[in-house]
Amino acid sequence: AQSVSQHNHHVILSEAASLELGCNYSYGGTVNLFWYVQYPGQHLQLLLKYFSGDPLVKGIKGFEAEFIKSKFSFNLRKPSVQWSDTAEYFCAVMYSSGSARQLTFGSGTQLTVLP
Amino acid sequence: SAVISQKPSRDICQRGTSLTIQCQVDSQVTMMFWYRQQPGQSLTLIATANQGSEATYESGFVIDKFPISRPNLTFSTLTVSNMSPEDSSIYLCSGRRSTNTEAFFGQGTRLTVV
Repeated sequence: AQSVSQHNHHVILSEAASLELGCNYSYGGTVNLFWYVQYPGQHLQLLLKYFSGDPLVKGIKGFEAEFIKSKFSFNLRKPSVQWSDTAEYFCAVMYSSGSARQLTFGSGTQLTVLP
Repeated sequence: SAVISQKPSRDICQRGTSLTIQCQVDSQVTMMFWYRQQPGQSLTLIATANQGSEATYESGFVIDKFPISRPNLTFSTLTVSNMSPEDSSIYLCSGRRSTNTEAFFGQGTRLTVV
C-alpha cells in the first residue's frame, strides 16, 4: 500500500534555529509531492509542491524542500525559523496510479518555535 | 487556488443522529474529496465526490454511513449518519482543478458526538 512517513511527531526549536522535517514515501512510480501547513485555528494551506524539474523547490515564507528520488524523500527545510512558524506540517504524495490520483498524507509534525 | 467555505465549523451531536456538512467552492473544480482527521492522526480519505454520480468510497467507508452529494461543480455535502462517539473527528473537504494540480482545503468541521 502507498504510504507516507513523517519521522518527527513534535519538534521544538528556538527562534533562528534551522529546521529540517523528514518525509519519506513508499515506492509507487511517478509521484507529485507536497508540503501543507496548518496554523492554529486555520485551514490547511499549501506550502510548496514538486511536479517535475528542479528537485529543489522553494515555497512560501522561506521554506524549501528537496526531492531525492533515490531515497524516496522530500524533506522540508528552513534556515531560520520564526515564532510564527509554529504550526502542524503535513507531507503529502500524489501517486500517478489511480484515476483520481488521490493524495496520501503523512501523520504530520507539530512544530513549536519558542520565542 | 480557490476558496472553500465549509460549515458548520464545529458541532456537538447526540449519538444516533446525523449531521450534514456543506462545502461551497468559489469557482468550478473538477474534483472534490472528503477527508477525516482523527485526533493525533493524519488525514484519511473518505471518498471522492463525483459530480452527477455516486461518490467513490475508500476501503472502510460506506455510502450508508457517509452519504455524499455533489449536485454541481462548486458544491458538495457529506452526511455522517447514525453517529457514535467513534465518529468524533475533524472532517475536511478538498478540491482540485485537475489531476495535475494541488489540492486546497476547507476550514474543517470539528465534530464531537456525545
